[in-house]
Amino acid sequence: ETGVTQTPRHLVMGMTNKKSLKCEQHLGHNAMYWYKQSAKKPLELMFVYSLEERVENNSVPSRFSPECPNSSHLFLHLHTLQPEDSALYLCASSQAAPSAYEQYFGPGTRLTVT
Amino acid sequence: TQLLEQSPQFLSIQEGENLTVYCNSSSVFSSLQWYRQEPGEGPVLLVTVVTGGEVKKLKRLTFQFGDARKDSSLHITAAQPGDTGLYLCAGVDSGYALNFGKGTSLLVTP
Repeated sequence: ETGVTQTPRHLVMGMTNKKSLKCEQHLGHNAMYWYKQSAKKPLELMFVYSLEERVENNSVPSRFSPECPNSSHLFLHLHTLQPEDSALYLCASSQAAPSAYEQYFGPGTRLTVT
Repeated sequence: TQLLEQSPQFLSIQEGENLTVYCNSSSVFSSLQWYRQEPGEGPVLLVTVVTGGEVKKLKRLTFQFGDARKDSSLHITAAQPGDTGLYLCAGVDSGYALNFGKGTSLLVTP
């Protein structure tokens, strides 16, 4: 048990759909992250929230929109995605910076864009 | 972004064998972490190394951080099928971001 849960675990969506991924952490952490994991590529950091404020956005396309309503919940809103966005989307949490390096991951959402 | 190169990319061994996987960079990291990821799951943190030359042991797994804090190794003694998975190393640069390698995919067959 990692203490970080993600729903749904699997999602198939068309290019015109709108969907949201949800992440919840039960570890009392103050920082949350979204990563994208594609085949044959390193994990790519997408967004970082620390104390509910976005502190980093690694030039992610606007079709991905994060939301962090409180320190325990993180959402990734998806709209008009492309097939190349199919990947495993991972949420992680940690204590807020500067001690942000021990990150705990959820099981991921396997997204397929058709 | 600081690149982390992991080798080998794939490794298939039989139960009981020993193995070492490597994580190398030209950059210095304040700390380095190792994760194991099983298919369909998220990475699970195994260890964090902070001090150059540091060695940490986790049962049959031995982790070492290079003296210059640019590289690390993971040695598994007497591998078991339960060790199968993707082993990822990640280095800390700015304090927010973990830079991940592509991983070593390990298969241990009975």
